[in-house]
Amino acid sequence: TQLLEQSPQFLSIQEGENLTVYCNSSSVFSSLQWYRQEPGEGPVLLVTVVTGGEVKKLKRLTFQFGDARKDSSLHITAAQPGDTGLYLCAGGGYNKLIFGAGTRLAVHP
Amino acid sequence: NAGVTQTPKFQVLKTGQSMTLQCAQDMNHEYMSWYRQDPGMGLRLIHYSVGAGITDQGEVPNGYNVSRSTTEDFPLRLLSAAPSQTSVYFCASRAGSSNTEAFFGQGTRLTVV
Repeated sequence: TQLLEQSPQFLSIQEGENLTVYCNSSSVFSSLQWYRQEPGEGPVLLVTVVTGGEVKKLKRLTFQFGDARKDSSLHITAAQPGDTGLYLCAGGGYNKLIFGAGTRLAVHP
Repeated sequence: NAGVTQTPKFQVLKTGQSMTLQCAQDMNHEYMSWYRQDPGMGLRLIHYSVGAGITDQGEVPNGYNVSRSTTEDFPLRLLSAAPSQTSVYFCASRAGSSNTEAFFGQGTRLTVV
């Protein structure tokens, strides 16, 4: 069974701070995805990483896929209140998409 | 653009009742999945389908049935509702496996009393 563990589970920070959240597994994944979910809505894709060691940037968000394709990280620079939400990583297995438990981020003005 | 449509948005059931959660997508996606989301547990895969007529079990399939008679529709049936099935249910569709983006419906909040 493929499992994805995310840490930390909760993160409460002030506007302007930097943060990193992690997604780890003992299994190798062909790709990892990061989603963001807001209350009352379904998750929305932020990025897909497919190559070991890959780094992708979306404005203030930086995503990295581990060299062994077992882990990934999301770094946010100068967090803003609009970044508040639940961040989920998801791994592509054979025909399945498995999710971690998520990191709930609160950014306070 | 409708995307993935789930109905109903809210539902309250009594223990032992049955019901069907509806999911429809208009993107001609082959892959569809049902997840449940509970506090602190992320999204757990219930059942999934890789095309019309093909379904398979996910991580937590017990108490749920699915069928996929058309590409567009993927209903989830609760046979005899239990309080442990109180959750938020999400349907998702994807164009293919692995790297493709999953599109989610807005969810169904189910309470079993």
